[in-house]
Amino acid sequence: GENVEQHPSTLSVQEGDSAVIKCTYSDSASNYFPWYKQELGKRPQLIIDIRSNVGEKKDQRIAVTLNKTAKHFSLHITETQPEDSAVYFCAASITWTSYGKLTFGQGTILTVHP
Amino acid sequence: SAVISQKPSRDICQRGTSLTIQCQVDSQVTMMFWYRQQPGQSLTLIATANQGSEATYESGFVIDKFPISRPNLTFSTLTVSNMSPEDSSIYLCSVAGDVMNTEAFFGQGTRLTVV
Repeated sequence: GENVEQHPSTLSVQEGDSAVIKCTYSDSASNYFPWYKQELGKRPQLIIDIRSNVGEKKDQRIAVTLNKTAKHFSLHITETQPEDSAVYFCAASITWTSYGKLTFGQGTILTVHP
Repeated sequence: SAVISQKPSRDICQRGTSLTIQCQVDSQVTMMFWYRQQPGQSLTLIATANQGSEATYESGFVIDKFPISRPNLTFSTLTVSNMSPEDSSIYLCSVAGDVMNTEAFFGQGTRLTVV
């Protein structure tokens, strides 16, 4: 089955700096890669996603890049703010066989210091 | 987007007992999923709840321990049976739209503590 590795496990940055979180996946059939943000005691919330036919996607301060050949994808957060502090999870899915079924990375605890 | 109501939101249970968690969605969905999130850990898929058929369990999870019902396209239950302290986790249900709109939405989770 699919295996998703996520690094780093913790990331501490100063407000205004950029943050980068990286994930690798094992199953070349995976074609959908979402990123979730989970604040303490709350449900995971989708912040951005990318499909395998796209190399990069951006939404304001958040961007995701995908390298299908290397089977890795990354989350980039620019101009970080204290409210970006949370746990971030990457995930992978094969949508044409089981859309919505996600394999998650281990998570990254992001702390943004004011 | 789908609105998912999950209950109970939390519970403290005695070991050896069972707890049934309910997940209600505000629209009909084909695919429903149950995840476990152990303290400080990531989300692990327990099973896919299929309407009209048996749930499909992931490696390491069995029906006797985690029986699932899916009586219709808007509702599912997960039972955690014969609980032990190792079952203390957050259990989340999740749904996705369809093959063209694959964003997965999560319920608020059930925080289970087994004593």
